[in-house]
Amino acid sequence: GQNIDQPTEMTATEGAIVQINCTYQTSGFNGLFWYQHHAGEAPTFLSYNVLDGLEEKGRFSSFLSRSKGYSYLLLKELQMKDSASYLCASMDSNYQLIWGAGTKLIIKP
Amino acid sequence: ETGVTQTPRHLVMGMTNKKSLKCEQHLGHNAMYWYKQSAKKPLELMFVYSLEERVENNSVPSRFSPECPNSSHLFLHLHTLQPEDSALYLCASSFRSGTGSEKLFFGSGTQLSVL
Repeated sequence: GQNIDQPTEMTATEGAIVQINCTYQTSGFNGLFWYQHHAGEAPTFLSYNVLDGLEEKGRFSSFLSRSKGYSYLLLKELQMKDSASYLCASMDSNYQLIWGAGTKLIIKP
Repeated sequence: ETGVTQTPRHLVMGMTNKKSLKCEQHLGHNAMYWYKQSAKKPLELMFVYSLEERVENNSVPSRFSPECPNSSHLFLHLHTLQPEDSALYLCASSFRSGTGSEKLFFGSGTQLSVL
């Protein structure tokens, strides 16, 4: 079956660094997406990885290892506004997105 | 502002009511989606309208009925819902071709409560 695993909840301190992990098992692979979702707002796209390695975009970076079925989202210099749910999704061979249940990130001052 | 607008933002309905959710996208995309998000569960794809075809998740009950009159508008008609249908309903759009799909743009969702 197809499955995405990510932690349910994480807590971090303002100004620190946090890594949110995601492991995936899908029928074929056409890339890995990360989205940010603030409650009451629209989920927004953060990153897309299809090749192995690290993609850096400002304070956020995303890493992919296709051989391990593993990705992580790295958030640096955490700000209170980074408190949100982070959704991991893998695109399978039919270009369908398989979603994780999301990681709720709580930032404490 | 993501370019995808959903109305209403909140909806409370009884099990015998009929209501509709509306979604509109101003991004020139050719695919639109309905997702259901229940607490602590993965997003569940309900329906896709893409390249003038409708693709549906066979597990979605018939009390949910989608309508897509054109590439910019999408509706979800609701009737005789059950309390377990209470959830956040998200609309999204993207550009799709025969070889893949680009990233999704979401609306803010309709928080539905069925009493």
